[in-house]
Amino acid sequence: DAGVTQSPTHLIKTRGQQVTLRCSPISGHKSVSWYQQVLGQGPQFIFQYYEKEERGRGNFPDRFSARQFPNYSSELNVNALLLGDSALYLCASRGLAGGRSYNEQFFGPGTRLTVL
Amino acid sequence: AQSVTQLDSQVPVFEEAPVELRCNYSSSVSVYLFWYVQYPNQGLQLLLKYLSGSTLVKGINGFEAEFNKSQTSFHLRKPSVHISDTAEYFCAVSGEYGNKLVFGAGTILRVKS
Repeated sequence: DAGVTQSPTHLIKTRGQQVTLRCSPISGHKSVSWYQQVLGQGPQFIFQYYEKEERGRGNFPDRFSARQFPNYSSELNVNALLLGDSALYLCASRGLAGGRSYNEQFFGPGTRLTVL
Repeated sequence: AQSVTQLDSQVPVFEEAPVELRCNYSSSVSVYLFWYVQYPNQGLQLLLKYLSGSTLVKGINGFEAEFNKSQTSFHLRKPSVHISDTAEYFCAVSGEYGNKLVFGAGTILRVKS
């Protein structure tokens, strides 16, 4: 089975631009979360979506937004990019309810965003 | 609020030696605890998790961790490391259902030959 996939793998933008990152969860997983990992730090929670509804939001400005589609894939949008938005953006999907891995988040390889 | 402190930013160790990576957490509610490994330019892979039950948890690649509620710790151990264990290791805590993971800053394990 395919794991969590993310696209693109790398992205270079300039300050003030907008970016959209994409994530496809493991087949059947309905929960998708986004994390930002700045170089040298641990990942920080940005959003969680479940059944197409936002279920949690981290301490990020309104420039960050996300949505989940009927097929449970998700997009993360960041507007008015700042240099500090340069990071690895990780997507994770959570196991199925009632399954052994229900409380486990499976991570994708990430999208490396560089803002110049 | 939950928080995680990983006490060592880097741990150098010789191949075949034992290693312990330390993790302390803070939470006002019952927690789930996780250790993830990140190899260069890759995402996170789950090593092991503590949800309930036995406080000694065994994971993949020969790693294990012990949950100590009184000391609010969840240290990761391996009796004999290999060069291939060189990576960054993250301790994480979450509330119910494993939502919203809160990560520590990470510990880089460098295994030397």
